Amino acid sequence: GEDVEQSLFLSVREGDSSVINCTYTDSSSTYLYWYKQEPGAGLQLLTYIFSNMDMKQDQRLTVLLNKKDKHLSLRIADTQTGDSAIYFCAEDRRDDKIIFGKGTRLHILP
Amino acid sequence: ETGVTQSPTHLIKTRGQQVTLRCSSQSGHNTVSWYQQALGQGPQFIFQYYREEENGRGNFPPRFSGLQFPNYSSELNVNALELDDSALYLCASSLANTYNEQFFGPGTRLTVL
Repeated sequence: GEDVEQSLFLSVREGDSSVINCTYTDSSSTYLYWYKQEPGAGLQLLTYIFSNMDMKQDQRLTVLLNKKDKHLSLRIADTQTGDSAIYFCAEDRRDDKIIFGKGTRLHILP
Repeated sequence: ETGVTQSPTHLIKTRGQQVTLRCSSQSGHNTVSWYQQALGQGPQFIFQYYREEENGRGNFPPRFSGLQFPNYSSELNVNALELDDSALYLCASSLANTYNEQFFGPGTRLTVL
C-alpha cells in the first residue's frame, strides 16, 4: 500500500515494555525512523536503522526490522511516565520522499 | 549551538489569503525540509531545500512554494489558502541532502477561517 501503517493507541503499565509496530511501503527504503512527539512540541528523532541491519539497540530502545515483511518495531524497556507521547514511524524512500505513519499514542498506566 | 526556530508560533488567516512561514536551521545545517501535520495525523512531507535548490517534493500543489537563503534559513509560502491548509507546519534541518539526524522546530500553527 501507499501508507505507513501503525496502530493508533497503546496502553502499557509503568515498568513494563512497550512494543510499537509499523508496516512501511517500500522494500527499497534506505532508512527507517522512529520519532517522538510530546504535546505541543515538534518531533524528536529517537533512533533510526539502516535497511541492511535487522536490529539496533540504544539504551532502553530496541528497533527490529523485517525487510521481507516491511515491518518495523520499537521496543521501549522499563516504560516510564515520561515516555507518554505519540510515536511516529517513517521511511526514507528511494524517490527522495520521507513518509510518516499517523502515529501511535502511548499511554502509561500507573 | 542554536536549535531550529520557526516564526510565527501561531497565525490566523482567511480563505484566499497568502501566508509566509519562516524557519531558521540549526547552526551548520544546509538542508531544510517542510512538513504539514494536520490534527491527529502524521507529518506529510511538502518539500526539501538543499543549498538553495528544491531537492524533492511531496504531493502538494504548486501554491505551496519555498525558498532557501544563503544562510540556509527558509520560507514556506502558501497562496490562495484553503480551509484544509489549517495545520501545524514543521520545518526540520539536517546536514547534506538527507533526512538522517533531522532536527525539528516547534512548528507554526496555521488556522484558516
